[in-house]
Amino acid sequence: EAQVTQNPRYLITVTGKKLTVTCSQNMNHEYMSWYRQDPGLGLRQIYYSMNVEVTDKGDVPEGYKVSRKEKRNFPLILESPSPNQTSLYFCASSFSTSSTDTQYFGPGTRLTVL
Amino acid sequence: AQSVTQPDIHITVSEGASLELRCNYSYGATPYLFWYVQSPGQGLQLLLKYFSGDTLVQGIKGFEAEFKRSQSSFNLRKPSVHWSDAAEYFCAVAPTSGTYKYIFGTGTRLKVLA
Repeated sequence: EAQVTQNPRYLITVTGKKLTVTCSQNMNHEYMSWYRQDPGLGLRQIYYSMNVEVTDKGDVPEGYKVSRKEKRNFPLILESPSPNQTSLYFCASSFSTSSTDTQYFGPGTRLTVL
Repeated sequence: AQSVTQPDIHITVSEGASLELRCNYSYGATPYLFWYVQSPGQGLQLLLKYFSGDTLVQGIKGFEAEFKRSQSSFNLRKPSVHWSDAAEYFCAVAPTSGTYKYIFGTGTRLKVLA
């Protein structure tokens, strides 16, 4: 089944403790992206990747890192999480960078930073 | 500035009633337009999209949307709502060329009364 998977689905952590949220897609998609969803703000893009080893900042990249060493994986790294990073995170992928390609979203990761 | 406005944060309708969710955008040129649905605990799923041509587009689950250039609007409609339509709905825009970058609205949460 074609899908985008994220792990973990739920995470509670404390300020400053490094964490990684994994994202994997099995559709051989070139484009992958991370969003955060906050009440009243909708989805905002954190980082995106147009292909292996090609990443760029979205609208809200501060406090986050990403890497794209393999086509299927696009982990989101929080080196020193802070409470303002408490949010619902979504990974998404699409076949190419064309806006006509459908974005497929993962199920989300709800992160709480205490 | 580019933006997407969904003026209704919450909408409540009775099962079987018609539905219209509003979306207005501010963009330099006519963008590609999308509606996504997010069911509780799920990722976003594409309902429908508009690229060009016929301004009335049909989507999945019985939804349709109408693009009105003069009003910069892309409203989502359904003639008869089912209880399973209770979810959050997001309107989004993306450029027709250049960097692939979605801008999402803040979402409309739909409640359906039995």
